[in-house]
Amino acid sequence: DTEVTQTPKHLVMGMTNKKSLKCEQHMGHRAMYWYKQKAKKPPELMFVYSYEKLSINESVPSRFSPECPNSSLLNLHLHALQPEDSALYLCASSQETARNYGYTFGSGTRLTVV
Amino acid sequence: GENVEQHPSTLSVQEGDSAVIKCTYSDSASNYFPWYKQELGKGPQLIIDIRSNVGEKKDQRIAVTLNKTAKHFSLHITETQPEDSAVYFCAAPSSGGSYIPTFGRGTSLIVHP
Repeated sequence: DTEVTQTPKHLVMGMTNKKSLKCEQHMGHRAMYWYKQKAKKPPELMFVYSYEKLSINESVPSRFSPECPNSSLLNLHLHALQPEDSALYLCASSQETARNYGYTFGSGTRLTVV
Repeated sequence: GENVEQHPSTLSVQEGDSAVIKCTYSDSASNYFPWYKQELGKGPQLIIDIRSNVGEKKDQRIAVTLNKTAKHFSLHITETQPEDSAVYFCAAPSSGGSYIPTFGRGTSLIVHP
């Protein structure tokens, strides 16, 4: 299995809703990431988990809450989002967090906040 | 952080032509340089990478070259096909010992049949 699986593929939520994005990989990768991507822009790092511990939080607002239940799963809990949070949310994994490993990305969740 | 510049932002070619995309970086300690392809509605996919102990790497119609002296690396696609149409991102490790890569701004490649 060489994939990162993200669910759901599409999500529309109101500003008062609570929802969660899910990500799963079975490649034995020990680093997992959440990225946000706006149209025609490169992915923008949000969070990094290394060996199931949060190692980087790129000053992301608290309305985004990551969780890593085990080495294969990564969640992103959403609450009280704003319309400007509408974007493609990408999960990625890599063998380690070292400088010389490439990333495997999921297909993303297309989030629309109304 | 690492300053990664990618050019051009848009590249339009005829099927069968070659395409070249170039990235420059600033951290001389960088030693790993990947290229990602992102098709519409999908996440980026690692298509080729190069490490600093080699100058060129090929995989069928795609190749990556690295010039460490000039601090740039390039993606070369030969005999382009319509399915090569996508956005391509380079990445280089950030400076200051960080392991997090910085992505280039992306190149939208359009291959006309």
